[in-house]
Amino acid sequence: DQQVKQNSPSLSVQEGRISILNCDYTNSMFDYFLWYKKYPAEGPTFLISISSIKDKNEDGRFTVFLNKSAKHLSLHIVPSQPGDSAVYFCAATVQGGSEKLVFGKGTKLTVNP
Amino acid sequence: GAGVSQSPSNKVTEKGKDVELRCDPISGHTALYWYRQSLGQGLEFLIYFQGNSAPDKSGLPSDRFSAERTGGSVSTLTIQRTQQEDSAVYLCASSLAGRDTQYFGPGTRLTVL
Repeated sequence: DQQVKQNSPSLSVQEGRISILNCDYTNSMFDYFLWYKKYPAEGPTFLISISSIKDKNEDGRFTVFLNKSAKHLSLHIVPSQPGDSAVYFCAATVQGGSEKLVFGKGTKLTVNP
Repeated sequence: GAGVSQSPSNKVTEKGKDVELRCDPISGHTALYWYRQSLGQGLEFLIYFQGNSAPDKSGLPSDRFSAERTGGSVSTLTIQRTQQEDSAVYLCASSLAGRDTQYFGPGTRLTVL
């Protein structure tokens, strides 16, 4: 049973436009959510996170929105740049436990020049 | 400073052989995690070490898998009697403490023939 779901395996956007990556979760115990970015042959790198007490967190071009009632979060990248092309993983955890991250399967973002 | 390093970067082995994968966490990080990513899947939690506490082994898929962390630093993941379904990228991550951002290594790609 997949607790974190990224239903779009791929997304293609034009440079300068907004990229929106979506993530749904089923475990209501999750209280901390993260997005990681992964380039080929590299490990994932942390991008941005959000606690369940917030509904928005912004860092430069990246904003994460959390809708707890819908158990849905999204990552917005604006403006998108070709260097943003990578696989984006959504992850969730229960703070105060082992802090293990539960990951979605990822969305491959391609930003076309 | 240096990031998380893993060795080897690639490992090809025959079914039934034992393999050892090594992880060097970021110096000073007390928490260490192992995950694996099978083809087309998200990252799957395997095991978590935090300081001198007993490790959380809840993600290990079978008793063929074991891990240790010596001196609170380097960790080795051992897979005995490898099977073809063990083929995956094995990723190690470390964090300053259990609740901090996890930093990933580049992974070891294991192929079991």
